[in-house]
Amino acid sequence: AQSVSQHNHHVILSEAASLELGCNYSYGGTVNLFWYVQYPGQHLQLLLKYFSGDPLVKGIKGFEAEFIKSKFSFNLRKPSVQWSDTAEYFCAVKYSRLNSGGYQKVTFGIGTKLQVIP
Amino acid sequence: EPEVTQTPSHQVTQMGQEVILRCVPISNHLYFYWYRQILGQKVEFLVSFYNNEISEKSEIFDDQFSVERPDGSNFTLKIRSTKLEDSAMYFCASTWEVYQPQHFGDGTRLSIL
Repeated sequence: AQSVSQHNHHVILSEAASLELGCNYSYGGTVNLFWYVQYPGQHLQLLLKYFSGDPLVKGIKGFEAEFIKSKFSFNLRKPSVQWSDTAEYFCAVKYSRLNSGGYQKVTFGIGTKLQVIP
Repeated sequence: EPEVTQTPSHQVTQMGQEVILRCVPISNHLYFYWYRQILGQKVEFLVSFYNNEISEKSEIFDDQFSVERPDGSNFTLKIRSTKLEDSAMYFCASTWEVYQPQHFGDGTRLSIL
């Protein structure tokens, strides 16, 4: 079955520390990859996406992610976190479904709660 | 920036009752989705909807669930006879093109008593 794994469920960092959140997916075919963020009391927001091309993608608020096809990974990074980055982060994958006309549902990881201490 | 809006933000319902969750997708979007997140678990896909019909549904989306786009703006999820295990946060999402990211609403927290 198609799945998305996020290895860190709860991460606590001090401000200015570097961040890396792991994400692996199970499917060997064509995928679109996303990171969504959910700030406390708010809706899911797109942080960044990978469709094709340069495997290093840059998103909003200084976040970036690297797609490594051989490792089925799409890890999220930020060199220096801020208190305002406290949120829950979801890795998500859209799998190619060629016989249904293309990409449809998004499969989410379980999420990683990031707490940044001032 | 246009947003997906969901109402109500919190719905409390007795087990066995019908509930309708409402969503207003972004106006020029054509593809619509419902997801749910049971407390402490991952966000799960329920159903996708395009051109006035369901294009894909998960095994969760059984005969108790239905979706409808009754007019040009609303997209609803109906649960016919709610069960305790239907308690979750339900998210509506939409996109204008199936290859593009989905935009999510704030969610409706459904509590079944």
